[in-house]
Amino acid sequence: GENVEQHPSTLSVQEGDSAVIKCTYSDSASNYFPWYKQELGKGPQLIIDIRSNVGEKKDQRIAVTLNKTAKHFSLHITETQPEDSAVYFCAASRGNQGGKLIFGQGTELSVKP
Amino acid sequence: DTGVSQDPRHKITKRGQNVTFRCDPISEHNRLYWYRQTLGQGPEFLTYFQNEAQLEKSRLLSDRFSAERPKGSFSTLEIQRTEQGDSAMYLCASNIQGTNEKLFFGSGTQLSVL
Repeated sequence: GENVEQHPSTLSVQEGDSAVIKCTYSDSASNYFPWYKQELGKGPQLIIDIRSNVGEKKDQRIAVTLNKTAKHFSLHITETQPEDSAVYFCAASRGNQGGKLIFGQGTELSVKP
Repeated sequence: DTGVSQDPRHKITKRGQNVTFRCDPISEHNRLYWYRQTLGQGPEFLTYFQNEAQLEKSRLLSDRFSAERPKGSFSTLEIQRTEQGDSAMYLCASNIQGTNEKLFFGSGTQLSVL
């Protein structure tokens, strides 16, 4: 069945360093790849997304890259700040399946001041 | 825009009891989704509605689970004869059909079955 693998499960960085989280997906028909940030006691919040017709997208300190051939996509956070500490989830879906997302297992990011 | 609202935030119940959760989506969103999230895992899709029609149900949704969206606005998720394995965070999300799938989540209902 459809599957999304996410690594690492935990990531600790110093404030100001960069953080990279990687995901692979199994369904070659997937064409939409969002990233969500989840803070304790809250629901996931969309932070950035990318479609399969684009290889890279950037929004201030956050960027996402997509390699469709290898079925890999990654989240890059630069100049990390303590408030970036949270659990990050990647997800994938087919465009015709609306909001039916297949999520990765999550990465707990800790940014140490 | 007040966001997706879920009620209650927390629910503790005894095994065998029935529970019902409510979700109010963002007002102009015609699609509404239910997901379940267990500790240390990503959310898992359960079911979704377009207006009042339930269009898809995951095999995770056993016959003890039922969801409704009677007027195409708020939705309820009922679990009958709860089991300890039902303990999880139940998340509701919404979006507008055809808007690039951007999904907006509520804060969830944390269910604990004792």
